[in-house]
Amino acid sequence: GQNIDQPTEMTATEGAIVQINCTYQTSGFNGLFWYQQHAGEAPTFLSYNVLDGLEEKGRFSSFLSRSKGYSYLLLKELQMKDSASYLCAVRDEDYQLIWGAGTKLIIKP
Amino acid sequence: IAGITQAPTSQILAAGRRMTLRCTQDMRHNAMYWYRQDLGLGLRLIHYSNTAGTTGKGEVPDGYSVSRANTDDFPLTLASAVPSQTSVYFCASSDSRGSDTQYFGPGTRLTVL
Repeated sequence: GQNIDQPTEMTATEGAIVQINCTYQTSGFNGLFWYQQHAGEAPTFLSYNVLDGLEEKGRFSSFLSRSKGYSYLLLKELQMKDSASYLCAVRDEDYQLIWGAGTKLIIKP
Repeated sequence: IAGITQAPTSQILAAGRRMTLRCTQDMRHNAMYWYRQDLGLGLRLIHYSNTAGTTGKGEVPDGYSVSRANTDDFPLTLASAVPSQTSVYFCASSDSRGSDTQYFGPGTRLTVL
């Protein structure tokens, strides 16, 4: 079966750095996505990786290792507004997105 | 309209009733999707449409039907609602099914009693 694993919840301090991990087992691979979802709102796109390595976009970076079936999202200089759920999704061989359950990130002052 | 809109925002429905959730996008995207999101689970695909006039089944299609008469609209119908269909429903669209990014509507919170 297809599976995406993420930690259920993480806590971090304002101004710090946090790394959210995602491991996957899917039938084929056509890219990995990270989305942010604030409580009661829609998911919004953060990043996309299809090749191994690090993609940096401001305070957010995403890393992919296809051989290990592993990705992480790195958030730097954490702000209170970063409190949200972070969703990892993998596009499989049929170009269908398989979603993880999400990681709820709690930022403390 | 900017992006994707969904209606209603929320709804309480008696079991056995028929309900249509509406979704409209103004981005001229070819592909559209319906997901449900339940606590502790990832988004699950109900139905999708690669282009106007075509639809396909996702991971959890039972009890739901869709139509795609034109590019902009993609309604989701529950023919006879059951309590297990209580969920938050998100409509999304992308330029194509293999495209990078899906854009989501604000969601409909549905409670079936």
